[in-house]
Amino acid sequence: QVQLVQSGAEVKKPGASVKVSCKASGYPFTNYAIHWLRQAPGQSLEWMGWVHGGNGNTRYSQTFQGRVTTSRDTSANIAYLQLSSLRSEDTAVYFCAFVGDGSWFAFWGQGTLVTVSS
Amino acid sequence: EIVMTQSPATLSVSPGEGVTLSCRASQSVGRNLAWYQQKPGQAPRLLIYGASTRATGIPARFSGSGSETEFTLTISSLQSEDFAVYYCQHYKNWPPWTFGQGTKVEIK
Repeated sequence: QVQLVQSGAEVKKPGASVKVSCKASGYPFTNYAIHWLRQAPGQSLEWMGWVHGGNGNTRYSQTFQGRVTTSRDTSANIAYLQLSSLRSEDTAVYFCAFVGDGSWFAFWGQGTLVTVSS
Repeated sequence: EIVMTQSPATLSVSPGEGVTLSCRASQSVGRNLAWYQQKPGQAPRLLIYGASTRATGIPARFSGSGSETEFTLTISSLQSEDFAVYYCQHYKNWPPWTFGQGTKVEIK
């Protein structure tokens, strides 16, 4: 069974960066991408980008282009999301998700709350 | 970018009643549509993909229908655990994947 376990909550000041991790298990990590999405308080879900576990290819939403970086560590089956130049509007729960052979988000991490506050 | 619009924003329903949620796409997505359920403090859970295929372990009281631009999620007889927010999401011409703004199903 696919499992995604994310790192803990973060509090950051405006202008700082945050790096969130997502440890994957239950499937061949290098065969699939890990996606990142976020959900601001009381809002819907927003896709941010992906990183492929094998070749490291990345793709980002234009909304976050220039501020977001996704990466992975194949030795530990961990994917990372880094978001820079944080502002208060980036306060949200950040989720990693697994798409697999379909194009829908079949499995999700538990979420990581990132709070941006001075 | 394809815009997904859900209606209504909130539904007040009594346990045991049936309910139908709507989702509209700004352009045709074929049957490339998924539905998710989200409870407070939890990650979304996949319910339906391909517009009408239930994900593993999803009870038969959940059913999806529709194609192109109009979709519905029906819950035939609401159980206490079904009160949650429901999101639709398309996966045609990605990226980006986009979601509707959600429909909250609350206890009447």
